[in-house]
Amino acid sequence: AQSVTQLDSQVPVFEEAPVELRCNYSSSVSVYLFWYVQYPNQGLQLLLKYLSGSTLVESINGFEAEFNKSQTSFHLRKPSVHISDTAEYFCAVSDGLSGTYKYIFGTGTRLKVLA
Amino acid sequence: DAGITQSPRYKITETGRQVTLMCHQTWSHSYMFWYRQDLGHGLRLIYYSAAADITDKGEVPDGYVVSRSKTENFPLTLESATRSQTSVYFCASMVAGSSYNEQFFGPGTRLTVL
Repeated sequence: AQSVTQLDSQVPVFEEAPVELRCNYSSSVSVYLFWYVQYPNQGLQLLLKYLSGSTLVESINGFEAEFNKSQTSFHLRKPSVHISDTAEYFCAVSDGLSGTYKYIFGTGTRLKVLA
Repeated sequence: DAGITQSPRYKITETGRQVTLMCHQTWSHSYMFWYRQDLGHGLRLIYYSAAADITDKGEVPDGYVVSRSKTENFPLTLESATRSQTSVYFCASMVAGSSYNEQFFGPGTRLTVL
């Protein structure tokens, strides 16, 4: 069965510093990969997704993630974080061959941006 | 308003009581999902539905019941609430066959079982 591992439960980082949030998934022939962000007391919002094509995907607010098939990873990066990026980030995987559209979520990484 | 809504947003109940959490979406999305969010577990799928009158179990279905008589509604019922069901519950929806494969989430219901 598909699984997702987010290795870091919490990541503190100073404002304007770079950050990487790690996500690894178990091997599958065809996967769709997502990063969702959850701000305090809110629902989840899609940050970016990889379905096919270019392995580097970007969001409108400066985050990017790279699909690495050989390492089964989809790490999220931002070169310079802001206080407003403080949130919980979830990596999710959908098996492209199952036809059920179900997601498997990681346990989340809480990003805390410090002034 | 268009979108996906959940009610109530907050609920406190007692062990053994029946509780129903409501989810409503205005997009006519085929797929709908119920998740629970717990510290250290992320989001876990409880039930999902591919269309009206079609539902299936997810990862943690025990103690929950769902129905989907209309495309836009997907209520989740806890037949006899237990303390272990204290959690934040999220509903989501998605267009079937979409190349974007994106799920849209509601704001969540925080349920406390005493």
